[in-house]
Amino acid sequence: QVQLVESGGGVVQPGRSLRLSCAASGFTFSNYAMHWVRQAPGKGLEWVAVISYDGSNKYYADSVKGRFTISRDNSKNTVYLQMNSLRAEDTAVYYCARDRMTTVTTYAFNIWGQGTMVTVSS
Amino acid sequence: DIQMTQSPSSLSASVGDRVTITCRASQSISSYLNWYQQKPGKAPKLLIHAASSLQSGVPSRFSGSGSGTDFTLTISSLQPEDFATYYCQQSYRILYTFGQGTKLEIK
Repeated sequence: QVQLVESGGGVVQPGRSLRLSCAASGFTFSNYAMHWVRQAPGKGLEWVAVISYDGSNKYYADSVKGRFTISRDNSKNTVYLQMNSLRAEDTAVYYCARDRMTTVTTYAFNIWGQGTMVTVSS
Repeated sequence: DIQMTQSPSSLSASVGDRVTITCRASQSISSYLNWYQQKPGKAPKLLIHAASSLQSGVPSRFSGSGSGTDFTLTISSLQPEDFATYYCQQSYRILYTFGQGTKLEIK
């Protein structure tokens, strides 16, 4: 079945780095843009980053620009989020999500992973 | 940045009730508006895209309307599994912002 499985979360000190992974299965991964969306504890949803289906375009929220990098490996059906210079305010559940349509990026997310928790604390 | 404001922030209703949630954008977003349902400890689920298009597999008691700056999500007859938090999201322009959420609780 169509599935996204995140990994790589954990507890990290401020200023350190962490890389999240999201493994896709059950669909043609290379046809879809992929996103990361986060949710701080008890808070709402915040879109973080997108990478186009072929990896040629990447966009970021202002809150993470210059610190986070999204990438993908279509041969491994995996999307990544490299998070550097982490701050306490980056503490959240991080979800990867698939765009709704193939090749075109609609910024509507119809498949979500279960999320991975990132805690930034000393 | 485009701000999304939902009302109410919370709502108590009974099974069988008709419920409407409103989402207002700080500027026109045409029909680039999506609705999600999230249950505690779970990932969000896409209900409506492009303001009024029902996502595949979503029950027909859910409907969306609106364009420009004002949008609504309507549940025609609440079912027990509908008690959750609902979010609107604009897909018109970066930062693709979400509303603050509407928590729908059992009366």
